[in-house]
Amino acid sequence: AQTVTQSQPEMSVQEAETVTLSCTYDTSESDYYLFWYKQPPSRQMILVIRQEAYKQQNATENRFSVNFQKAAKSFSLKISDSQLGDAAMYFCAYVNYGGSQGNLIFGKGTKLSVKP
Amino acid sequence: ETGVTQTPRHLVMGMTNKKSLKCEQHLGHNAMYWYKQSAKKPLELMFVYSLEERVENNSVPSRFSPECPNSSHLFLHLHTLQPEDSALYLCASSQGRVGSYEQYFGPGTRLTVT
Repeated sequence: AQTVTQSQPEMSVQEAETVTLSCTYDTSESDYYLFWYKQPPSRQMILVIRQEAYKQQNATENRFSVNFQKAAKSFSLKISDSQLGDAAMYFCAYVNYGGSQGNLIFGKGTKLSVKP
Repeated sequence: ETGVTQTPRHLVMGMTNKKSLKCEQHLGHNAMYWYKQSAKKPLELMFVYSLEERVENNSVPSRFSPECPNSSHLFLHLHTLQPEDSALYLCASSQGRVGSYEQYFGPGTRLTVT
């Protein structure tokens, strides 16, 4: 069975600095997707960034980028120029490509605090 | 309204009560999901509906009963719940039948069972 591990329950970053959140996963599949979701204190979960496993190029969305290491099964999220609004729970998630609907597996999350 | 909405946002119920959670998506998606989010645990997928048919039930106790009358609405009927069922219940929707599509989440219903 696939698993997703986020080894950092909490992280803290100074405003305008860069922070990296870690995520590792375990799977025997070769085609899959990885996501980072953000859940602010208001609780609405939103998608931050997505990575297709078949793509070698790391995904980037403005200040958010990933370091996808397929062989190492690692998928870290880098937040550059951190802002106060980045404070939230961040969840790493995995889904098999072509798998059954809803086979989205989440890690336990990392709580990110941003200090002014 | 845009995105995925859920009502009520907060619910307190006794163990003998019957209540329902409602989810509505305004995105034209054809798949909808219920998740349970408890403190210090990963999100747990409960049910998946694709084109109004239940395609997955992750061994959820029968005191939780989903209903999907159409592709835009999803309900979770609750009866004789236990205190350990207290959690945040999240609804999500996605487009497409394969698992590659990202899911869009509602704000959740904070459920407390007394």
